[in-house]
Amino acid sequence: AQSVTQLDSQVPVFEEAPVELRCNYSSSVSVYLFWYVQYPNQGLQLLLKYLSGSTLVKGINGFEAEFNKSQTSFHLRKPSVHISDTAEYFCAVTLITNAGKSTFGDGTTLTVKP
Amino acid sequence: GAGVSQSPSNKVTEKGKDVELRCDPISGHTALYWYRQRLGQGLEFLIYFQGNSAPDKSGLPSDRFSAERTGESVSTLTIQRTQQEDSAVYLCASSLFAEQYFGPGTRLTVT
Repeated sequence: AQSVTQLDSQVPVFEEAPVELRCNYSSSVSVYLFWYVQYPNQGLQLLLKYLSGSTLVKGINGFEAEFNKSQTSFHLRKPSVHISDTAEYFCAVTLITNAGKSTFGDGTTLTVKP
Repeated sequence: GAGVSQSPSNKVTEKGKDVELRCDPISGHTALYWYRQRLGQGLEFLIYFQGNSAPDKSGLPSDRFSAERTGESVSTLTIQRTQQEDSAVYLCASSLFAEQYFGPGTRLTVT
């Protein structure tokens, strides 16, 4: 079975600072990888995804993530954050052989301070 | 186009009562998922539908929980004899391939 570990439960940063939210996964087979964002009192929305091809993927709102197969990681980065990026971020994996079931990490709360 | 919708948005019920939560997926999405999110926690997988069959029910926490789906459309999640520990936000998502589109959730409070 696959598992996802988000290494930081809370990440406080100042506005315009860079940020990295870390995600490691465990799976015996190939996976698809996702980052979702949940703004306060809203549902989740897709931030970016890795299905195949280039290991550096770009998403909405200036976020990007890099798939590192040897490290089994999929860390999310943004060079300069805004107050509006304050949200909960979830990393998720889905088995390529069973695209029906995703496993989500416990989430990282990003708080951007002025 | 329309996204995933869920109803009701909020539900307060007394312990021991049954509740039914509804999810309308994006038209054409063959897969549908239910998750539970307790306050301050991550997503807990409940059940997954492909069409109207449920190949994975492994996340349903007890036999008080059941779900059904009509064709590739509406799904209902039913919780019988609700308990206080059932209080959570119940999220529904639909998918055509791998990436999931989430509804706004139903906040269930059991008093």
